[in-house]
Amino acid sequence: GAVVSQHPSWVICKSGTSVKIECRSLDFQATTMFWYRQFPKQSLMLMATSNEGSKATYEQGVEKDKFLINHASLTLSTLTVTSAHPEDSSFYICSAPLRTGYYNEQFFGPGTRLTVL
Amino acid sequence: KQEVTQIPAALSVPEGENLVLNCSFTDSAIYNLQWFRQDPGKGLTSLLLIQSSQREQTSGRLNASLDKSSGRSTLYIAASQPGDSATYLCAVHHRGSTLGRLYFGRGTQLTVWP
Repeated sequence: GAVVSQHPSWVICKSGTSVKIECRSLDFQATTMFWYRQFPKQSLMLMATSNEGSKATYEQGVEKDKFLINHASLTLSTLTVTSAHPEDSSFYICSAPLRTGYYNEQFFGPGTRLTVL
Repeated sequence: KQEVTQIPAALSVPEGENLVLNCSFTDSAIYNLQWFRQDPGKGLTSLLLIQSSQREQTSGRLNASLDKSSGRSTLYIAASQPGDSATYLCAVHHRGSTLGRLYFGRGTQLTVWP
């Protein structure tokens, strides 16, 4: 089956620093990838849609200047949390769709746990 | 806007019981509905995907049904085992949204004790 990887799996950083998270589709190409955020005991909330070769589309309430997304190739999207603060501490998960049969199925990365001190 | 609700929020049962997890969604204009499993601190594992034209899907001890007109889905787990302990998430792929964008419920946290 299709595999999506994320790196790093966890990161701890100081307040004010920037953190980059990578999302890769290992055995398929994805012109679109999705970035979700999950707070403890909460559901996954879509942050933005990453589009290869064009600007990302952000959900309402998500600051595009704080969460920079770059979809540089058909297998890689990166999310950079700029000037991170403790309230940005969360679990970040990416996904990529792959057409399997008659429909598109979402494949998720293992997630990245971000802790901002 | 699509909203997904899961009931119950938490469930604790002894090993061997048959379980039903519920999911409801507000807008029936969906492509498909997907059930995921999430272990603590981990990513998502897809369990079952039901197309909007289908009524149910089965995989091993898992059976998921879909009633699109009423906006409901159930995940049935037969003969539960301690290894089934996890959070189960329901997500819908809403028509009219970006292809592949999913709307998630908050999940049902399942604990199966031996």
